Amino acid sequence: KNEVEQSPQNLTAQEGEFITINCSYSVGISALHWLQQHPGGGIVSLFMLSSGKKKHGRLIATINIQEKHSSLHITASHPRDSAVYICAVNPNTGNQFYFGTGTSLTVIP
Amino acid sequence: KAGVTQTPRYLIKTRGQQVTLSCSPISGHRSVSWYQQTPGQGLQFLFEYFSETQRNKGNFPGRFSGRQFSNSRSEMNVSTLELGDSALYLCASGRLAGGPETQYFGPGTRLLVL
Repeated sequence: KNEVEQSPQNLTAQEGEFITINCSYSVGISALHWLQQHPGGGIVSLFMLSSGKKKHGRLIATINIQEKHSSLHITASHPRDSAVYICAVNPNTGNQFYFGTGTSLTVIP
Repeated sequence: KAGVTQTPRYLIKTRGQQVTLSCSPISGHRSVSWYQQTPGQGLQFLFEYFSETQRNKGNFPGRFSGRQFSNSRSEMNVSTLELGDSALYLCASGRLAGGPETQYFGPGTRLLVL
């Protein structure tokens, strides 16, 4: 059983669309992270959340600790947003990550 | 500040050989974590080091080992390579030990075992 579940697995959107990626987790956490991985492998940390909501440019991340759920929203999507988005959590014990399986996003011009 | 660097970037080995991968964290970072990424299993935690001490270990066989040096650089070693060890190996660095913080990932080492 995965500690972190993401949906959808794959997502195709038209440029300009509003996108939502969901993440649910089953363990107690100290923080949740949203990561972005482009083809070629490099991973960039987008957000770290322990409560509430964070915004950076066109990206918004929210977390509901009681429901053990987080969402990543992309407003006005652009082809350069095409990447794999990965949800990861820090369990209450330790600094390691448990990862979701990722959501592969393709934004078509 | 320079980012996290990993060497080598690509590596081809044959079954039964061993391999050593290197990770240099961002200057001032003392925590280094290692991850394996495969198409079938996704990203999985290998181990975490802080101040030369292994703090956490994932569920991998003893063929996977690591160490951290006094300058915070870390190496991981895989002995007796198997075909299933073919993967992208990523390291990430952070400032803290045991607390949640943004992790900074290196570009990865892509290992192919033939």
